[in-house]
Amino acid sequence: GQQVMQIPQYQHVQEGEDFTTYCNSSTTLSNIQWYKQRPGGHPVFLIQLVKSGEVKKQKRLTFQFGEAKKNSSLHITATQTTDVGTYFCAGWGGTGNQFYFGTGTSLTVIP
Amino acid sequence: GAVVSQHPSWVICKSGTSVKIECRSLDFQATTMFWYRQFPKQSLMLMATSNEGSKATYEQGVEKDKFLINHASLTLSTLTVTSAHPEDSSFYICSAVPNPIYEQYFGPGTRLTVT
Repeated sequence: GQQVMQIPQYQHVQEGEDFTTYCNSSTTLSNIQWYKQRPGGHPVFLIQLVKSGEVKKQKRLTFQFGEAKKNSSLHITATQTTDVGTYFCAGWGGTGNQFYFGTGTSLTVIP
Repeated sequence: GAVVSQHPSWVICKSGTSVKIECRSLDFQATTMFWYRQFPKQSLMLMATSNEGSKATYEQGVEKDKFLINHASLTLSTLTVTSAHPEDSSFYICSAVPNPIYEQYFGPGTRLTVT
C-alpha cells in the first residue's frame, strides 16, 4: 500500500492566503524531496532536505523535515495564481531503500 | 539545467500490439532511470528502476514480461508495453538521475491510449 501520505488531498485558497501541505511516511526517510506538477505537466524538482529538523526557504516557500525524518511540510505564504498545481513529497527509505512518492496535494488558488 | 526527453509524447495503439517509449537524458549521464505510471489526478506510481547495463528492478505488482525495460546506455532507457490492452492506457513518465540520491529530472511524459 501507499507508504507516504499527504494531507490535504485538495486545497482551495483565496489568492493571498497561506497554504500548507503535510507529508507523513510510515517509514524513516533518508531524505525528502518536494516536486511541483502543473496541470498537464510533469513533476519539477523544488528542493531536497536531508538533515533531521532541517528547514529551508525559497522565497515564499518554507520546507521542513521532521526530527524523526518521517514527516515533512511545505508552507506557502501569500499564495499567487502561479502556485497552482499538485505538490508531491518523495523520498528514499524503508528496509530496501526504496523511493516513495507521496499522494500529493492539489492546490487551487482563486484570484 | 538537466533535460530529459521522452518520445513519443502521445501514442494510440490497437489492443494486442506493442509500444516502445524512449527516455533520454540530453545533457547529463544518468546512472539510474525510473519509470512511473500516473492515472488522472493521482500520484505517480513507480513501476521500475533501471540502471545502465543491468536488469531493471520492478516494483511489486508490475509484470516484468509485460513492461520490458532496457537501459542500454547512460543516456537512454526504453519501456516497451507488450501486448497492450485498454487497461494499460495511462500517462507514463520517466525520470533520470545522475546519482540515485539526487533529485530526479522528469521527462514530459507519454500518453498511451490502447483501443
